[in-house]
Amino acid sequence: NAGVTQTPKFRILKIGQSMTLQCTQDMNHNYMYWYRQDPGMGLKLIYYSVGAGITDKGEVPNGYNVSRSTTEDFPLRLELAAPSQTSVYFCASSTSGGMDMTEAFFGQGTRLTVV
Amino acid sequence: AQSVTQLDSQVPVFEEAPVELRCNYSSSVSVYLFWYVQYPNQGLQLLLKYLSGSTLVKGINGFEAEFNKSQTSFHLRKPSVHISDTAEYFCAVNLLTGGGNKLTFGTGTQLKVEL
Repeated sequence: NAGVTQTPKFRILKIGQSMTLQCTQDMNHNYMYWYRQDPGMGLKLIYYSVGAGITDKGEVPNGYNVSRSTTEDFPLRLELAAPSQTSVYFCASSTSGGMDMTEAFFGQGTRLTVV
Repeated sequence: AQSVTQLDSQVPVFEEAPVELRCNYSSSVSVYLFWYVQYPNQGLQLLLKYLSGSTLVKGINGFEAEFNKSQTSFHLRKPSVHISDTAEYFCAVNLLTGGGNKLTFGTGTQLKVEL
């Protein structure tokens, strides 16, 4: 199984440019998430989605946008890249919450540098 | 609000020695608890999880963790580490509410196993 697939793996952006980080999962998971990982800071939740057509902000949503038109795909959009968005981005998915909670499955990450 | 504290940012240990990685959480409601491992340049993968039942949870690669509700802790242990255990370890918590499936991560502990 492919699991959670993120593209690209690496990207360098200039300040003010825009880009979309792609994420797709083939496990038919309802929940999907975007995290950013910065050294010594752990993972911070940017946005999450509980199903197609439903998205919500996480802890650090400013400067990002998401959409969830299908169960499989959850792209993350950066409209005006800033140096503060230099980070490693992880997409994850899981089946559901509550008593059916299972673990989140993570992609391999996208390393983004904004210069 | 829930939070997760990993007090040790780095833990050096010699091969075949025991190790304990500490995790404390704060929450006024019941929680699910997780430990994830991240090998260099990879995504996160689940080591073990506590949902309910026995407070001693066994995971992959010989790791185990004990849930202590009175001390709000979920420390990770391994009786004898191997070089291949060198990685970053993240503790995470998920609230048992109707608010959706949002994992909150600690800042991580870098385990370095030396010969």
